[in-house]
Amino acid sequence: DVKVTQSSRYLVKRTGEKVFLECVQDMDHENMFWYRQDPGLGLRLIYFSYDVKMKEKGDIPEGYSVSREKKERFSLILESASTNQTSMYLCASSEQGDEQYFGPGTRLTVT
Amino acid sequence: GENVEQHPSTLSVQEGDSAVIKCTYSDSASNYFPWYKQELGKGPQLIIDIRSNVGEKKDQRIAVTLNKTAKHFSLHITETQPEDSAVYFCAASKAFGYSTLTFGKGTMLLVSP
Repeated sequence: DVKVTQSSRYLVKRTGEKVFLECVQDMDHENMFWYRQDPGLGLRLIYFSYDVKMKEKGDIPEGYSVSREKKERFSLILESASTNQTSMYLCASSEQGDEQYFGPGTRLTVT
Repeated sequence: GENVEQHPSTLSVQEGDSAVIKCTYSDSASNYFPWYKQELGKGPQLIIDIRSNVGEKKDQRIAVTLNKTAKHFSLHITETQPEDSAVYFCAASKAFGYSTLTFGKGTMLLVSP
């Protein structure tokens, strides 16, 4: 089975802290994605990557950056966390044009 | 860019009834339409998908229909069971090259015993 794991299920950080969310997939997928999920807003794409060291902005990249140094790992970075970044963060991976496999999510609270 | 509208936002049915969730999309170039189910505490999981060369697809109790002319597609669940209770998301993409999925806002389905 495809497995996408996220480093934390729950995370509490203070305003201004630098936050790292890690995602690892074990299916050698080319594509990886970071979404945030908020009630009533669905899933919104933050960043995605089609290859190692490649990254593309999604619909809401402001306040975030990403890193993909290895094919299986895709990190989301909040350079200076703010309260409006309190959300559920979902990582996904896929092959070209195919099903996206999601991790269980990280619920981040910024206080 | 693509815009996907999903209705209703919540849907309550009795066990055994049918449930229908509808989505519309804006980009006529979109050709791949997956549906995801998200159970509490879990990430979304693909339950069925359809590509634009097909008008309908069925898998046991779930089916998806696509009307390319009207740019809408629907999820149909028959003989609903309490374990069908979840949030359902539709999505659309061009499914070639470096395309991404655009998701609807989700439908919370509650099936009462």
